[in-house]
Amino acid sequence: QVQLVQSGAEVKKPGASVKISCKASGYTFTSYYVHWVRQAPGQGLEWMGISNASGGSTSYAQKFQGRVTMTRDTSTSTVYMELSSLTSEDTAVYYCAREAPRGSYSDYWGQGTLVSVSS
Amino acid sequence: DIQMTQSPSSLSASVGDRVTITCRASQNISSYLNWYQQKPGKAPNVLIYAASSLQTGVPSRFSGSGSGTEFTLTISSLQPEDFATYYCQQSYSTPFTFGPGTKVDIK
Repeated sequence: QVQLVQSGAEVKKPGASVKISCKASGYTFTSYYVHWVRQAPGQGLEWMGISNASGGSTSYAQKFQGRVTMTRDTSTSTVYMELSSLTSEDTAVYYCAREAPRGSYSDYWGQGTLVSVSS
Repeated sequence: DIQMTQSPSSLSASVGDRVTITCRASQNISSYLNWYQQKPGKAPNVLIYAASSLQTGVPSRFSGSGSGTEFTLTISSLQPEDFATYYCQQSYSTPFTFGPGTKVDIK
């Protein structure tokens, strides 16, 4: 069965960086794109970007350009999302999600990783 | 960026009610519109993709319609497990923006 398992919760200080992993299983890793979406406490969903697990190409939301890097390791079927220059506004649950084969929507999601930014 | 709006932002309904949620895009997105359900503390779950296609495993009481800039999600007979927040998302062009959500709670 398809699974996306994310790394555990993180606590960071303002100005630091965080790198979250998302390990895929149950499907051919390099055949799918992976999206990253975040959700601040009590708020809605915010799309951050997309990573091609095959070639490694990426597309980021303008809001995060220059601060986010999405990479992948095909040997471990893992995608990573690194966000730098953290502020308290980056406190959120971060999700990875596989793009479905039939279209640009996410059919499987990770369990989420809470990132708390506080001095 | 394409802006997405939803109405209402919240609603109260009873089991068995028919519920309709509207989503509007700031420009023509053809049928590149998805609907997700999210329960507290859980990841979102896709219900409808491409405006009207029911995701495998999703109950048939959920349906979607619309194209261009206006879309609707309908729950034909609300069940206890449907109390949740619903989000639309456009996948016409990046960034794949979400609507602000519609919270459906018990009347």
